[in-house]
Amino acid sequence: EPEVTQTPSHQVTQMGQEVILRCVPISNHLYFYWYRQILGQKVEFLVSFYNNEISEKSEIFDDQFSVERPDGSNFTLKIRSTKLEDSAMYFCASSGQTTYSNQPQHFGDGTRLSIL
Amino acid sequence: AQTVTQSQPEMSVQEAETVTLSCTYDTSESNYYLFWYKQPPSRQMILVIRQEAYKQQNATENRFSVNFQKAAKSFSLKISDSQLGDTAMYFCAFMNYLLLGGDNNNDMRFGAGTRLTVKP
Repeated sequence: EPEVTQTPSHQVTQMGQEVILRCVPISNHLYFYWYRQILGQKVEFLVSFYNNEISEKSEIFDDQFSVERPDGSNFTLKIRSTKLEDSAMYFCASSGQTTYSNQPQHFGDGTRLSIL
Repeated sequence: AQTVTQSQPEMSVQEAETVTLSCTYDTSESNYYLFWYKQPPSRQMILVIRQEAYKQQNATENRFSVNFQKAAKSFSLKISDSQLGDTAMYFCAFMNYLLLGGDNNNDMRFGAGTRLTVKP
């Protein structure tokens, strides 16, 4: 069964540095998402992406964050000037084999980001 | 804005018994989707079951079933014959119904989660 893959599984970065989290969504999916889960807390929506642009973003997704689909297969989340509170598990998800109805979001295994 | 509430932070059940996890939500929409996701210690997010709001029949997937009460905005998950491998965090989630190629309000709203422990 096709799956969403995320790399790396664990990223350790110095505070203030930029980090790029990578995701390869399921190939025929049309909608892409990033979520964040701070340890012990609920999963929070960050951003959704459709037709090569952001379709919705949460209040968490400020100017520090950006997303890109650089080559038609990867979907990346860039975090600039990382802060300690950016430490979390970041999940990528994709959905939508067709545009006619919602499909469940299929999640990757997540990237654990640790900011030192 | 839609909100999802899981009022049970932690629950436990004996192996082979049945347990029900509660979820309520708030929305003004009439068409939407509801999901239960399982997050084991590995931190993966695994889809357990989903329900379309326009369907009156409760969804079932093997040992997992839901009790969907649309008027009460309640969506509980019943796990029958609990197994040790069911130990995990369970998230209830809500998603608006997306029309043709629509590009807004299709994000998933999660509840805070219920940590379920199945005891031998």
